[in-house]
Amino acid sequence: DAGITQSPRYKITETGRQVTLMCHQTWSHSYMFWYRQDLGHGLRLIYYSAAADITDKGEVPDGYVVSRSKTENFPLTLESATRSQTSVYFCATSLLFDTGELFFGEGSRLTVL
Amino acid sequence: RKEVEQDPGPFNVPEGATVAFNCTYSNSASQSFFWYRQDCRKEPKLLMSVYSSGNEDGRFTAQLNRASQYISLLIRDSKLSDSATYLCVATRGGNEKLTFGTGTRLTIIP
Repeated sequence: DAGITQSPRYKITETGRQVTLMCHQTWSHSYMFWYRQDLGHGLRLIYYSAAADITDKGEVPDGYVVSRSKTENFPLTLESATRSQTSVYFCATSLLFDTGELFFGEGSRLTVL
Repeated sequence: RKEVEQDPGPFNVPEGATVAFNCTYSNSASQSFFWYRQDCRKEPKLLMSVYSSGNEDGRFTAQLNRASQYISLLIRDSKLSDSATYLCVATRGGNEKLTFGTGTRLTIIP
């Protein structure tokens, strides 16, 4: 049981290109999240979703788009990548709304040249 | 000022020693607190929740001081496998409001 899978694990792209990071879960957790982790900033929430077709902005949503047409998938798209979006991106799920327990994927390391 | 602040370390501690880290939070509306552990180049994982009365899980003890707005994590009889970065987390409500600290790096030395 893979639980939560992110792809690609590593990606190098150029400024201005569109990039999509995939997140797939097998647990049927209602809540899904996208975070980025940067040195000196810790984990910052980009977008989250409470259920299929319900998404909302987090702390740092600019430059990102999400969708959730199916419960198990939550792709994150960088419409026009910038160097400042070089980061490690983590997808996470949670079964309940306010337990504080998130289950993270292994991360996607993105470099924008 | 960051909402959750941690000493980044690194803390280099001999095996078997006791080590403690604190984490301060600035938002008095924060309701719940957690410690996550993150191994090098891996994903974070929940280590333990922090209850008002303090709680213990094996060698790990977490405490909350609401008056001074800090939480602490104590690790006794440290093992080499405890080497990791420990993330302090506070929330004012649901999981979408989790605020992560930047982490404290711990290295246990043989």
